[in-house]
Amino acid sequence: ETGVTQSPTHLIKTRGQQVTLRCSSQSGHNTVSWYQQALGQGPQFIFQYYREEENGRGNFPPRFSGLQFPNYSSELNVNALELDDSALYLCASSLAGSNSPLHFGNGTRLTVT
Amino acid sequence: GDSVTQMEGPVTLSEEAFLTINCTYTATGYPSLFWYVQYPGEGLQLLLKATKADDKGSNKGFEATYRKETTSFHLEKGSVQVSDSAVYFCALRDYGQNFVFGPGTRLSVLP
Repeated sequence: ETGVTQSPTHLIKTRGQQVTLRCSSQSGHNTVSWYQQALGQGPQFIFQYYREEENGRGNFPPRFSGLQFPNYSSELNVNALELDDSALYLCASSLAGSNSPLHFGNGTRLTVT
Repeated sequence: GDSVTQMEGPVTLSEEAFLTINCTYTATGYPSLFWYVQYPGEGLQLLLKATKADDKGSNKGFEATYRKETTSFHLEKGSVQVSDSAVYFCALRDYGQNFVFGPGTRLSVLP
């Protein structure tokens, strides 16, 4: 069973630039969600995708957008990067259903300078 | 909205000590409850879960009981090891199927 994999592991960008982060879901999982984890804090929900459609969104501005592909892999795109976007971005996959836990990747560490 | 509150860390214990990390939640309805653990440089790993009132989740010597009357899900372990040093997150999953995480509690276990 292949777990959740994310790329790249680290990234440095300049304020105002755009970034794309990638995630491959755990095999058999049909739902993917993205979280932002600032240093010393818990993960904050960005959005969730199911069947290639966004079906839940947290309190993040529209410059945070995403995609889910037919093979359930996913991308997170952030436009017009700000210094406060510096964080660990976690992708998690799961099966749709209220009792299904999240399975996380190791994250992408984004630094905006 | 839904929220999760955890005891502030860091928590520092000696090896073989008893561990309790408090977690309380606010939610509409009856969410599923989870504990996740994060080791340095890694993502979160599921530690245990409980899906209804009075359920007890357990794994690797850790356990937590879903208490509806006190809206709590405290994490306990009878004898901690140095390898248990990590950050522990309490979380709930609401009817919208979105997860809400607490701020995390850092545990350091000294030999």
